[in-house]
Amino acid sequence: EDKVVQSPLSLVVHEGDTVTLNCSYEVTNFRSLLWYKQEKKAPTFLFMLTSSGIEKKSGRLSSILDKKELFSILNITATQTGDSAVYLCAVDGWGKLQFGAGTQVVVTP
Amino acid sequence: DGGITQSPKYLFRKEGQNVTLSCEQNLNHDAMYWYRQDPGQGLRLIYYSQIVNDFQKGDIAEGYSVSREKKESFPLTVTSAQKNPTAFYLCASSILAGGNTEAFFGQGTRLTVV
Repeated sequence: EDKVVQSPLSLVVHEGDTVTLNCSYEVTNFRSLLWYKQEKKAPTFLFMLTSSGIEKKSGRLSSILDKKELFSILNITATQTGDSAVYLCAVDGWGKLQFGAGTQVVVTP
Repeated sequence: DGGITQSPKYLFRKEGQNVTLSCEQNLNHDAMYWYRQDPGQGLRLIYYSQIVNDFQKGDIAEGYSVSREKKESFPLTVTSAQKNPTAFYLCASSILAGGNTEAFFGQGTRLTVV
């Protein structure tokens, strides 16, 4: 059975801290792993990862995939209150897009 | 503008009634998905479709039905068999071939059973 597991489920940090979010998966026919940020309604796209060891960066966010160990991490450096959101990891199994439970991040001033 | 549209935004239903949620996309995407989200939880896959006239059950398909008669449209019916239908429903679509296969989401439908 396909599954995507995220950890931790929630965390609270102070502005300026660095956070690391984890996503492990067991999926048949793996094509890509995606990270999304959800603040109110629709998730917004952050990264798509297909190859191991290649870091993707966007400002203070970065992500990397390990296809041998079947996991990915999402890092947020110098966190700001605007980073408060649920971060979702999803795995695309060629037409079946499966999400984890998400990590709720709260950044306090 | 290209995008994915869900309607209605809010929906109220009496117990025992079926209700259909609309999802339309003009992105020419092959795959479409329906998810359910409960408070404080992630997205759980209800149904997905990779091609017209074909669809597969996700993890929580019981009490739901879908159709895919056109590439652009993937409506979800919440039937009276769904015991706890109050939730936020998200529709998404993606391409199946090519480099950038991110899923695009609609703005969601919040269903409340009264």
